[in-house]
Amino acid sequence: SQKIEQNSEALNIQEGKTATLTCNYTNYSPAYLQWYRQDPGRGPVFLLLIRENEKEKRKERLKVTFDTTLKQSLFHITASQPADSATYLCALGSSGYSTLTFGKGTMLLVSP
Amino acid sequence: SAVISQKPSRDICQRGTSLTIQCQVDSQVTMMFWYRQQPGQSLTLIATANQGSEATYESGFVIDKFPISRPNLTFSTLTVSNMSPEDSSIYLCSVDGGRASNYGYTFGSGTRLTVV
Repeated sequence: SQKIEQNSEALNIQEGKTATLTCNYTNYSPAYLQWYRQDPGRGPVFLLLIRENEKEKRKERLKVTFDTTLKQSLFHITASQPADSATYLCALGSSGYSTLTFGKGTMLLVSP
Repeated sequence: SAVISQKPSRDICQRGTSLTIQCQVDSQVTMMFWYRQQPGQSLTLIATANQGSEATYESGFVIDKFPISRPNLTFSTLTVSNMSPEDSSIYLCSVDGGRASNYGYTFGSGTRLTVV
């Protein structure tokens, strides 16, 4: 069955450092992968989409890589700030119209 | 991107009762999605709601337990029926933002349900 794995342990980093979150998947050939941010008591907020034929995508301080050989995506936040503290979810989608499959998310804690 | 108003934001309900959750979108959308997020778990898709047709349910979810209405292109409801403590969860509606939103999904703020 399809499986998406994100680090269950919280990632603690210091302000100004680069945070790197991992999303691994098995038994899946996604056409695209998305990253979301979720704050406590709120719905997820879409951040970035990367397609299977793209290696890297950037948006401001965010960078996402997608390696379909390793079946892995890395999500980087450079110059992290305490306001970046949240849970980050990856989600996979198939070609054509399809619903998303979400990972459990990784909590990021950025300390001043 | 679309804006979704979801209510109620939270509720505490007695077992055996039902709760209806509403989602209003500020634009017309073809499909609306209903998710459940249990503590420490990923978002799990309950069903996809199309206007004018019956909802499509995912494995493990049935219409009798989670009836869905989709009367028009901007509104949908999810009812959690005959509730038990195992139904305690966060319920979220969402829509596909389409090309304008780089195909990201927009979510409502969620309904935190506690069944006692």
